[in-house]
Amino acid sequence: EDKVVQSPLSLVVHEGDTVTLNCSYEVTNFRSLLWYKQEKKAPTFLFMLTSSGIEKKSGRLSSILDKKELFSILNITATQTGDSAIYLCAVDHTGTASKLTFGTGTRLQVTL
Amino acid sequence: NAGVTQTPKFQVLKTGQSMTLQCAQDMNHNSMYWYRQDPGMGLRLIYYSASEGTTDKGEVPNGYNVSRLNKREFSLRLESAAPSQTSVYFCASSPVIRAKNIQYFGAGTRLSVL
Repeated sequence: EDKVVQSPLSLVVHEGDTVTLNCSYEVTNFRSLLWYKQEKKAPTFLFMLTSSGIEKKSGRLSSILDKKELFSILNITATQTGDSAIYLCAVDHTGTASKLTFGTGTRLQVTL
Repeated sequence: NAGVTQTPKFQVLKTGQSMTLQCAQDMNHNSMYWYRQDPGMGLRLIYYSASEGTTDKGEVPNGYNVSRLNKREFSLRLESAAPSQTSVYFCASSPVIRAKNIQYFGAGTRLSVL
């Protein structure tokens, strides 16, 4: 059975802290791993990773994929209250059609 | 820039009632998806349509039907709503270009079945 597991389930940090969110997976025919941020409504796309060891960065957010050990991490440095959200990890794995399997998400709360 | 538009935003049904959730995208994407999101369960795929004219079951299709009306529109129908279908429903679309499946989501429909 295809599986994506995120940890921790929730996290409370102070503004300015650095956080690391984890995503491990067991799927057949892995193609890519995606990170999304979900605030009040729709998940919004952050990163897609397809190759091991390549870091994707966007401002204070960065992510890396380890295809050998089957996991990814999402780092957020110098956290701000606007980073408070649910962070979702999803894996694209396919037969003939492209589908995503999502993890349950990590709820991050950044306090002043 | 509309992106993916879902209607309605909220709905309350009684057990046994039927309804259709509408989804439309203006990005000329081939693939469209319906998910439900429940506390502690993440996003679970109900049905998807890889291209106009095709639909396939996802992880939790029981109690639902879909129609890919044209390239833009993908609707989800509950024929006889049950309390277990109380959830937030998201529609998504993707171009699936060169095997890259970045999905773009609508704002969701919050459905309560009493």
